[in-house]
Amino acid sequence: AQTVTQSQPEMSVQEAETVTLSCTYDTSESDYYLFWYKQPPSRQMILVIRQEAYKQQNATENRFSVNFQKAAKSFSLKISDSQLGDAAMYFCAYRRATSGTYKYIFGTGTRLKVLA
Amino acid sequence: NAGVMQNPRHLVRRRGQEARLRCSPMKGHSHVYWYRQLPEEGLKFMVYLQKENIIDESGMPKERFSAEFPKEGPSILRIQQVVRGDSAAYFCASSPRAGLDYEQYFGPGTRLTVT
Repeated sequence: AQTVTQSQPEMSVQEAETVTLSCTYDTSESDYYLFWYKQPPSRQMILVIRQEAYKQQNATENRFSVNFQKAAKSFSLKISDSQLGDAAMYFCAYRRATSGTYKYIFGTGTRLKVLA
Repeated sequence: NAGVMQNPRHLVRRRGQEARLRCSPMKGHSHVYWYRQLPEEGLKFMVYLQKENIIDESGMPKERFSAEFPKEGPSILRIQQVVRGDSAAYFCASSPRAGLDYEQYFGPGTRLTVT
């Protein structure tokens, strides 16, 4: 069975600095998708970035980028120029790419605090 | 373009009562997923439905929980005889299809409190 592990329950970053959130996963599949979701206090799940496993190039979205290491099964999120609005829970998620079920498997989350 | 709608946003039930959570997917979406988030935990998959069909219910507790997605109307997650351990946030997500490139869009969640 696939698992997703986020080993940092909480992280802090100074405003305008850079922070990296870690995520590792375990799967025997060769094709899959990985996601980072942001959950602010409103609890709304907001997609931050996604990565297809077959793509070697790391995904980027403005200040957010990932470091995808397929062999190591690692998928970290880097937030540059951190802003107060980035403070939230961040969840890493995995989804198989084969047909059948498309359920997401989430990690336990990392709470990010941004210090002014 | 309305997103995924869930109601109620907050629901309080006494132990032994029934809870009904509703999810209206985005327009044009015919696939619905339900997830549960216990306090201080990540979301855990419960069930995946298409219109009038349950495709994967591997995450559903064996008793007291059921889900449906009728031809007309919202998807319903039903919890009978609620217990304190059912207190959680329940999220619904929808997608237009179940193919590789169709990601799920999440609703705002329903927070269930069992007293």
